[in-house]
Amino acid sequence: AQSVAQPEDQVNVAEGNPLTVKCTYSVSGNPYLFWYVQYPNRGLQFLLKYITGDNLVKGSYGFEAEFNKSQTSFHLKKPSALVSDSALYFCAVRDTSNTGKLIFGQGTTLQVKP
Amino acid sequence: DAGVTQSPTHLIKTRGQQVTLRCSPKSGHDTVSWYQQALGQGPQFIFQYYEEEERQRGNFPDRFSGHQFPNYSSELNVNALLLGDSALYLCASSRGDRGLLEQYFGPGTRLTVT
Repeated sequence: AQSVAQPEDQVNVAEGNPLTVKCTYSVSGNPYLFWYVQYPNRGLQFLLKYITGDNLVKGSYGFEAEFNKSQTSFHLKKPSALVSDSALYFCAVRDTSNTGKLIFGQGTTLQVKP
Repeated sequence: DAGVTQSPTHLIKTRGQQVTLRCSPKSGHDTVSWYQQALGQGPQFIFQYYEEEERQRGNFPDRFSGHQFPNYSSELNVNALLLGDSALYLCASSRGDRGLLEQYFGPGTRLTVT
């Protein structure tokens, strides 16, 4: 069965520092991976996806993610954090059925302090 | 271009009652998926509708049912509400592409069961 793990409940970084939010996955076959962000009382906003190709994926708001097949990881990164990046981040993997349903991790709260 | 819209924003119901939540997909999208997000958890897949039929169902009881209309909008119905049904209900839309493209999420409906 497909699954996603986000090992950190919360990540704290100072504004201007690089940030990393970790995600590992377990799938049969090739993984289709996604990152979403959720602000308080809001729905999920798409950040980026990995389907195939280059292991470094660039997304919205300066975020990028690195796909590592040998480590089954898909960590979200940003070179310089902003206070406005503070939010709840979800990693998701596409189910291998024909519907593309998403299986989400538990989420990681990112706190960026001035 | 309107994104995914959901109504109502908030809802308070009593145990045993029935509720209907509504979703309008993003323009150009024909597939609607529903997710339940309990407090502090990642979203859990309820079901997906495509061409007015339920295409896949997650691990939710029959009390959860849905419908898709010819204009691709969708409803989620929950009967015999339990306290544990309290959650944020998210609607996501996509094109019938089997999940290779990202799903766009609405702002959600916050359901409180007392």
